[in-house]
Amino acid sequence: ILNVEQSPQSLHVQEGDSTNFTCSFPSSNFYALHWYRWETAKSPEALFVMTLNGDEKKKGRISATLNTKEGYSYLYIKGSQPEDSATYLCAFHEGGKLIFGQGTELSVKP
Amino acid sequence: DAGITQSPRHKVTETGTPVTLRCHQTENHRYMYWYRQDPGHGLRLIHYSYGVKDTDKGEVSDGYSVSRSKTEDFLLTLESATSSQTSVYFCAISVYPQETQYFGPGTRLLVL
Repeated sequence: ILNVEQSPQSLHVQEGDSTNFTCSFPSSNFYALHWYRWETAKSPEALFVMTLNGDEKKKGRISATLNTKEGYSYLYIKGSQPEDSATYLCAFHEGGKLIFGQGTELSVKP
Repeated sequence: DAGITQSPRHKVTETGTPVTLRCHQTENHRYMYWYRQDPGHGLRLIHYSYGVKDTDKGEVSDGYSVSRSKTEDFLLTLESATSSQTSVYFCAISVYPQETQYFGPGTRLLVL
């Protein structure tokens, strides 16, 4: 079983702070890396699918970068808002399946 | 929202009883997946399907079976439910395996 690691496990920030989390994955046989946002009592929602080394994707205040050679991706949130509070999951595509990390739980206090 | 429904949405059952969860999609996507959510583990893949009658095991398939007789339906069966199978179960669909997966609303299962 491949290991997809996310850090930190949880993060508490104040409204307006910028923050970032890390997803580490195997650097060999890379195909795609996914980021999802998962609010409590809801379903995971797709943020990004990243396929190329050096990819940068942006959606509003959220952006992500990808380094396939060293096996990591960063997710950045600029000027965090309370509505950004959620668990952020990354998932590594392997053999027709997604292998999910355990997630980073973000809490943004007003 | 992707057209994915799960039924039932909540179920309480007793240890040893069989349970079947249904995932239904209206998107005609080829790939369907069953995951379970557990604290500290995120989402773990139970089984997945890459077409009608084509299924394969995921990371945590023991104690579960699946069937897909139609493109739109993917059934997950717990042959004899155990308390360790208490969890929230999510179905997901995708056009291709490397592309975005769209998740259903989840089924909360409690095995007493």
